[in-house]
Amino acid sequence: SQQGEEDPQALSIQEGENATMNCSYKTSINNLQWYRQNSGRGLVHLILIRSNEREKHSGRLRVTLDTSKKSSSLLITASRAADTASYFCATDEEGGSEKLVFGKGTKLTVNP
Amino acid sequence: DVKVTQSSRYLVKRTGEKVFLECVQDMDHENMFWYRQDPGLGLRLIYFSYDVKMKEKGDIPEGYSVSREKKERFSLILESASTNQTSMYLCASRRGYNEQFFGPGTRLTVL
Repeated sequence: SQQGEEDPQALSIQEGENATMNCSYKTSINNLQWYRQNSGRGLVHLILIRSNEREKHSGRLRVTLDTSKKSSSLLITASRAADTASYFCATDEEGGSEKLVFGKGTKLTVNP
Repeated sequence: DVKVTQSSRYLVKRTGEKVFLECVQDMDHENMFWYRQDPGLGLRLIYFSYDVKMKEKGDIPEGYSVSREKKERFSLILESASTNQTSMYLCASRRGYNEQFFGPGTRLTVL
């Protein structure tokens, strides 16, 4: 079952610009996570935000969570060509088992 | 450095062959997962295991089986490979509701 849906599906920006990706989900959650995937590789965890948190920062990453709207956003500031990757949100459903439900991802291209 | 390893990065098999994909994690995680990833479809869960010898079907278990005889190892088995099982296969492990660690992936081609 697909819980998270990222928006946009693809995003192309210039180096130095900020990139914003959004994720919407359907059910109540325990936490929401963002992952990054370089082409043809496994996913790498970026950040986890719990349902009682509204905002979290990690380096150039800023994640917000709005549980009333069932949505989250990932902001990458001052993007670099090396940020080119696909970004996925994933949720732990409240009361669910310990398996994440992933969205289909946003493909980000940062042009030098 | 925590690690999830997969037995092959690339694999080519023929239709009807039995295929084993192996995954090993060194973090003593109780939960392990197998996903397949196809363009436009995102990650789809095939099976997951929450303990040794315990397993649960994911969203697309048809045509697959799994084995978890030891905590660190989770195997995905394609009993009789078909061309529609050509895909990228990703293994992952996790403790509780924490972050999930992924292997590098196995790109399987079935001819």
